[in-house]
Amino acid sequence: GAVVSQHPSWVICKSGTSVKIECRSLDFQATTMFWYRQFPKQSLMLMATSNEGSKATYEQGVEKDKFLINHASLTLSTLTVTSAHPEDSSFYICSAEREGGGTQYFGPGTRLTVL
Amino acid sequence: AQTVTQSQPEMSVQEAETVTLSCTYDTSESNYYLFWYKQPPSRQMILVIRQEAYKQQNATENRFSVNFQKAAKSFSLKISDSQLGDTAMYFCAFMNSGTYKYIFGTGTRLKVLA
Repeated sequence: GAVVSQHPSWVICKSGTSVKIECRSLDFQATTMFWYRQFPKQSLMLMATSNEGSKATYEQGVEKDKFLINHASLTLSTLTVTSAHPEDSSFYICSAEREGGGTQYFGPGTRLTVL
Repeated sequence: AQTVTQSQPEMSVQEAETVTLSCTYDTSESNYYLFWYKQPPSRQMILVIRQEAYKQQNATENRFSVNFQKAAKSFSLKISDSQLGDTAMYFCAFMNSGTYKYIFGTGTRLKVLA
């Protein structure tokens, strides 16, 4: 149990376009999901906390207008990178918190390359 | 603010041997959770073990066990009978029970040698 999927697993896009990444909890409901960014050989950096039915909470320094997060249901959160630029190229990972448990279960990640 | 420190950037161990990865943290909170996650080359984050701060007993999961020293704010991971599949990046994480947010350490790259 506690499986989280992400789609797509990798994406290449042109500078200036928008990219949407989906995060789904497949076998449990998640009121809270998290979005992380990971640069090569570095740790995970929390970008935002996504709560079902409410606005996401962004970490300091993360542009909320650039990284749009929607948590429309208890099993789906989406991250949209708007007007992507090469510096947005990174590995994006989502996680879902099993209700009341505190433990986060992670998706397999999405590699974004902006040309 | 809470911080998590992993002081060993890289470690190696012979197959079947035992290795201990260190993690220290700093917090003024009394109610929190600690985790070890493994990130193999596939980059999928996998939960290894979890420890509730209010529990004195050290958590164990098969070959994985922790040495949780609350007063010293230390949370080390012991891997017994190391296997080639244990080769991965290992991250220690702290979670405040009020926010559910994780704070990750910088990671320790473990290589198991045949």
